[in-house]
Amino acid sequence: AQSVAQPEDQVNVAEGNPLTVKCTYSVSGNPYLFWYVQYPNRGLQFLLKYITGDNLVKGSYGFEAEFNKSQTSFHLKKPSALVSDSALYFCAVRDMTGAGNMLTFGGGTRLMVKP
Amino acid sequence: SQTIHQWPATLVQPVGSPLSLECTVEGTSNPNLYWYRQAAGRGLQLLFYSVGIGQISSEVPQNLSASRPQDRQFILSSKKLLLSDSGFYLCAWSSGTGTQPQHFGDGTRLSIL
Repeated sequence: AQSVAQPEDQVNVAEGNPLTVKCTYSVSGNPYLFWYVQYPNRGLQFLLKYITGDNLVKGSYGFEAEFNKSQTSFHLKKPSALVSDSALYFCAVRDMTGAGNMLTFGGGTRLMVKP
Repeated sequence: SQTIHQWPATLVQPVGSPLSLECTVEGTSNPNLYWYRQAAGRGLQLLFYSVGIGQISSEVPQNLSASRPQDRQFILSSKKLLLSDSGFYLCAWSSGTGTQPQHFGDGTRLSIL
């Protein structure tokens, strides 16, 4: 079965500094990977995905993610953090075992960007 | 473009009362539909998913049920709510291809008193 791990419950960065939110995965076969962001009392918003091709994927709001097959990682990055980036971030992997295009989510990482 | 609507946004219900949460999708046809519950602002628990009208798969046994009476309508129900049913309920949709993300509604905050 597939799984996703987000090893940090919370990440703290200063505004203007680069940020990284970590994600590692376990799947059989080629992974389809996704990042989402959730603001308070809102649903999850899709940021970016990796399906195939270039290992560096660019997404919404200046975020990007680097797929590393040998390390089974898909870390989310941004060169310069904004206070408005403070939110809950989820990594997810496509479940290839059944119908329904289901996703397995990590437990989430809270990003706090301080002015 | 596609949109997803959930209502109500917040709901306060007494223990033992019934529940009906509704989710509708616009701008697409034959979507996959999902109900999730999120406790304490953290991880997501998949409750139900549907790949077509009348087709419901349950991921977690509980006192909740789901129905899909129309192609783009997904309903979460309960006959008798428990305190443990409190949480943030999220509906999502996706297209049938595995390369596309799921898209989420803005959720319903359910409090059981």
